[in-house]
Amino acid sequence: DAGITQSPRHKVTETGTPVTLRCHQTENHRYMYWYRQDPGHGLRLIHYSYGVKDTDKGEVSDGYSVSRSKTEDFLLTLESATSSQTSVYFCAISESRQMTIYGYTFGSGTRLTVV
Amino acid sequence: QKEVEQDPGPLSVPEGAIVSLNCTYSNSAFQYFMWYRQYSRKGPELLMYTYSSGNKEDGRFTAQVDKSSKYISLFIRDSQPSDSATYLCAMIGLTGGGNKLTFGTGTQLKVEL
Repeated sequence: DAGITQSPRHKVTETGTPVTLRCHQTENHRYMYWYRQDPGHGLRLIHYSYGVKDTDKGEVSDGYSVSRSKTEDFLLTLESATSSQTSVYFCAISESRQMTIYGYTFGSGTRLTVV
Repeated sequence: QKEVEQDPGPLSVPEGAIVSLNCTYSNSAFQYFMWYRQYSRKGPELLMYTYSSGNKEDGRFTAQVDKSSKYISLFIRDSQPSDSATYLCAMIGLTGGGNKLTFGTGTQLKVEL
């Protein structure tokens, strides 16, 4: 997927455990985004980053935190996983705010199941 | 009310049919519009992007924007089974500091042999 890799691809975890998902890009893009996709809700923004150490909340940020210590990596942490966080998580990148008018590039997704 | 509305389908058509997929939106600030295609268990991939009202054509795909009606469409001509996927519209307005796409929920399309 055009220089964007998500890991792991699949994960099953227990309720109450912390989970970290990783997004790695080789495009040197400034903007990175974490979305979750659920039936009936579509893609919902969790958090996004507009530079190293610069992050902001999206519409469904409760229970999630992010970190970006390097341009290429954007980590999403579920602090204490709950069953409602069972979802498919997508990372996306954009070169700049202006270039967002041409859309994002998405990763292949991480399928997370919380049991 | 959601900012972007999209009929979830599923929409089932015979091979060779013309498919029309649509989104309506309520935010007048949206200026740029995109269509994504998402195959099952894959990430969305950008199909087309467009700005301003009118049509944009790319092969069998035509994107249409009507800003006065806040309505966008994607037409697929001579549909193929390989077009079976979920189609998501997305849009953004850069005024007021916008830097995030707003997505529709997606329409599931199945093209039958």
